[in-house]
Amino acid sequence: KAGVTQTPRYLIKTRGQQVTLSCSPISGHRSVSWYQQTPGQGLQFLFEYFSETQRNKGNFPGRFSGRQFSNSRSEMNVSTLELGDSALYLCASSESGGPPRGETQYFGPGTRLLVL
Amino acid sequence: AQTVTQSQPEMSVQEAETVTLSCTYDTSESNYYLFWYKQPPSRQMILVIRQEAYKQQNATENRFSVNFQKAAKSFSLKISDSQLGDTAMYFCAFMKHVGAQKLVFGQGTRLTINP
Repeated sequence: KAGVTQTPRYLIKTRGQQVTLSCSPISGHRSVSWYQQTPGQGLQFLFEYFSETQRNKGNFPGRFSGRQFSNSRSEMNVSTLELGDSALYLCASSESGGPPRGETQYFGPGTRLLVL
Repeated sequence: AQTVTQSQPEMSVQEAETVTLSCTYDTSESNYYLFWYKQPPSRQMILVIRQEAYKQQNATENRFSVNFQKAAKSFSLKISDSQLGDTAMYFCAFMKHVGAQKLVFGQGTRLTINP
């Protein structure tokens, strides 16, 4: 099976702009989670989507949002970009046949966002 | 809230040596999962090993094994016969058994394998 794919791989934006990142999970996986990785804060959970619904959300401002489509592909959006949003954004998928039960998450290669 | 602590920011060993990475965690949950992921310079996060807390037997995957001490809330990773390709950041992570499909990560240990 193909792994998790993320597009674009690199992105440069300026403050105030908005950005949309895309994630395609492993075929058959229904849950998609997003994480932000920065040198200062490490890896932090953004949100998780399952069956087109946000199932869990981390402690991030409302500028960070996401959605999931019927084919399980997911997008995350960051509006009004700030310098501190510069990070590696990682997407992970898991099978999630039903209620979450500690399933292994498989990660994509990430999108590196630089905000100038 | 759960926390994960990796007390060794950096480690360096010679090729073919054995190395142990430390991880401790704090939780009030009785059932949970623990993971080790590696992140090489390519930045791709790769699963190394997974441990289910209700299983007493330590997980093993080829050269990788864990020492899971539930009472001490300790979850160390042992890499035997280390190889140059093992050079990476290693992250310990925690996930609750039920509820949020959310990984809580430690700060990572940068492991360098020298030839």
